[in-house]
Amino acid sequence: SQTIHQWPATLVQPVGSPLSLECTVEGTSNPNLYWYRQAAGRGLQLLFYSVGIGQISSEVPQNLSASRPQDRQFILSSKKLLLSDSGFYLCAWSVHRGFDTEAFFGQGTRLTVV
Amino acid sequence: AQSVTQPDIHITVSEGASLELRCNYSYGATPYLFWYVQSPGQGLQLLLKYFSGDTLVQGIKGFEAEFKRSQSSFNLRKPSVHWSDAAEYFCAVGALTGGGNKLTFGTGTQLKVEL
Repeated sequence: SQTIHQWPATLVQPVGSPLSLECTVEGTSNPNLYWYRQAAGRGLQLLFYSVGIGQISSEVPQNLSASRPQDRQFILSSKKLLLSDSGFYLCAWSVHRGFDTEAFFGQGTRLTVV
Repeated sequence: AQSVTQPDIHITVSEGASLELRCNYSYGATPYLFWYVQSPGQGLQLLLKYFSGDTLVQGIKGFEAEFKRSQSSFNLRKPSVHWSDAAEYFCAVGALTGGGNKLTFGTGTQLKVEL
């Protein structure tokens, strides 16, 4: 069966520090991968999605970037964190055919920038 | 662009009572619709999905949802709520983009269950 791992679960970082959140998927190949951010009262916002290695699409302009160095690995990064980057970050995957398929979510990372 | 509206931010029901969570969507083509549930500090779990066919779909944990194209709605229902159903519920619409199914979520409905 497929599983998705996301770490760390919680993170407290000072303003201006770098960030690296990692997500890996097991049990499937060539998945579509997604990073979402959840802010209180604002639902989930899609930040990045990837349909293959090295292929990253950004949905919103922001202080963050994403990379996909391997087929089942998706990394969310920042060179210098801002207070506004605080939130709950969720990684997700879906099968590559793209339609009639749901997204499967990791357990999330609670990021607090202080 | 697609969008999802969940008009109820908070809902409180008594255990054993029926539940309906509202969801309205905007999408130019046939929508792919989902309901997810999130427990505090956790990821999202899929409750049910609608892609085509029967407009009344059954999901896990006794939930069901009905797709009504004329009303652009996909409301979630449960005949008898259990205390363990207290969580946040998200409606989402999927759109194909570059080979991926991009989900647009509503802002969520927080469900509280009174014993």
